[in-house]
Amino acid sequence: AQTVTQSQPEMSVQEAETVTLSCTYDTSESNYYLFWYKQPPSRQMILVIRQEAYKQQNATENRFSVNFQKAAKSFSLKISDSQLGDTAMYFCALPTQTGANNLFFGTGTRLTVIP
Amino acid sequence: DAGVTQSPTHLIKTRGQQVTLRCSPKSGHDTVSWYQQALGQGPQFIFQYYEEEERQRGNFPDRFSGHQFPNYSSELNVNALLLGDSALYLCASTLLRLRRATQYFGPGTRLLVL
Repeated sequence: AQTVTQSQPEMSVQEAETVTLSCTYDTSESNYYLFWYKQPPSRQMILVIRQEAYKQQNATENRFSVNFQKAAKSFSLKISDSQLGDTAMYFCALPTQTGANNLFFGTGTRLTVIP
Repeated sequence: DAGVTQSPTHLIKTRGQQVTLRCSPKSGHDTVSWYQQALGQGPQFIFQYYEEEERQRGNFPDRFSGHQFPNYSSELNVNALLLGDSALYLCASTLLRLRRATQYFGPGTRLLVL
């Protein structure tokens, strides 16, 4: 069974600073992929970044990057140069089963960017 | 390029009633999935529809049912509502033939059961 653990219920960061959100997971699959989604107060779930498990290189999208440690089953999200618009819930997720694109989500981390 | 849309945005029902939520997928997508997000929790997968049939299902009772129309839009029906069904219901769409394709989410429908 899939598990996703986000151990930081809430975090805050000063504007322009860097913050790292942690995620650990467990899966019996060998070929999988992982996501970080952002959910601002508007409720819309927005894809932040995606990582393929077979790729050794960490994914990067502008100010967002991941630290993917496959052996440790760790998938942390780093946000550089934090902006007020980054204030949101952040969810780590992986597919529910092999070949599926439906997702199993963690409980989320509430990030607040302080001006 | 139209994104995923859902209606209504908010809904209030009483226990025992039935509710229908609607979703239109992102342009070009053929698969719709539904998720339930309780307050303070991450979304939980309910089921997925493709080619007008339920393709996968999460751990939800039969009170939760769905439908997909030929234009790929979808409905989520919940019968005999319980207080615990109060949640944000999210719809997500994707193109199934792209294996492991990313899901794109709608803004959700907030359901309150009194």
